[in-house]
Amino acid sequence: NAGVTQTPKFQVLKTGQSMTLQCAQDMNHEYMSWYRQDPGMGLRLIHYSVGAGITDQGEVPNGYNVSRSTTEDFPLRLLSAAPSQTSVYFCASSPLLLRMQETQYFGPGTRLLVL
Amino acid sequence: AQKITQTQPGMFVQEKEAVTLDCTYDTSDPSYGLFWYKQPSSGEMIFLIYQGSYDQQNATEGRYSLNFQKARKSANLVISASQLGDSAMYFCAMREGPSSASKIIFGSGTRLSIRP
Repeated sequence: NAGVTQTPKFQVLKTGQSMTLQCAQDMNHEYMSWYRQDPGMGLRLIHYSVGAGITDQGEVPNGYNVSRSTTEDFPLRLLSAAPSQTSVYFCASSPLLLRMQETQYFGPGTRLLVL
Repeated sequence: AQKITQTQPGMFVQEKEAVTLDCTYDTSDPSYGLFWYKQPSSGEMIFLIYQGSYDQQNATEGRYSLNFQKARKSANLVISASQLGDSAMYFCAMREGPSSASKIIFGSGTRLSIRP
């Protein structure tokens, strides 16, 4: 099992450009989420999904779109990149169970720099 | 709304000493779960320990234990006999609700540095 994979590992964008951060998991997890981590700070939830076709907003959703057409993939789209979106982006997944203690499995992160 | 607060931006501890990292939370949901994660300088997120709101005993995992004080809404992480490899960022996180179908939010973290 590869776990949670994210591509690319590093990306430089110019202000106004669009791009999609890819996230995939091979553990058949229903729950997937996207976080951003700014330097020296904690993770802030952008969007999350509890299954294919179902997404919801987190703490900082503005400027980001998501879709979930399959269980495996949960791409994050930046429509018009801004310098304030410079950050490290983490994708995470977990099974959807009647157990609260299921932790999330994190991908390695994508480092994004917007000039 | 759920909220997690970590008031210690950074801590220095001597090797082999015990260390307590503070975490307070706020929620109106009687059912919730609390997590601690470690993030070394390499950047990956490592799950350490979990405590459920209805758990009768404090959680323990090896050198990690959770000092859960429900009335005070605190869930402090205790690391016994600290090691150099414990130097990292530590995050407290919370999930509300009766299942794993709800979002997890994080605190701002504590940077722990272990002195030899």
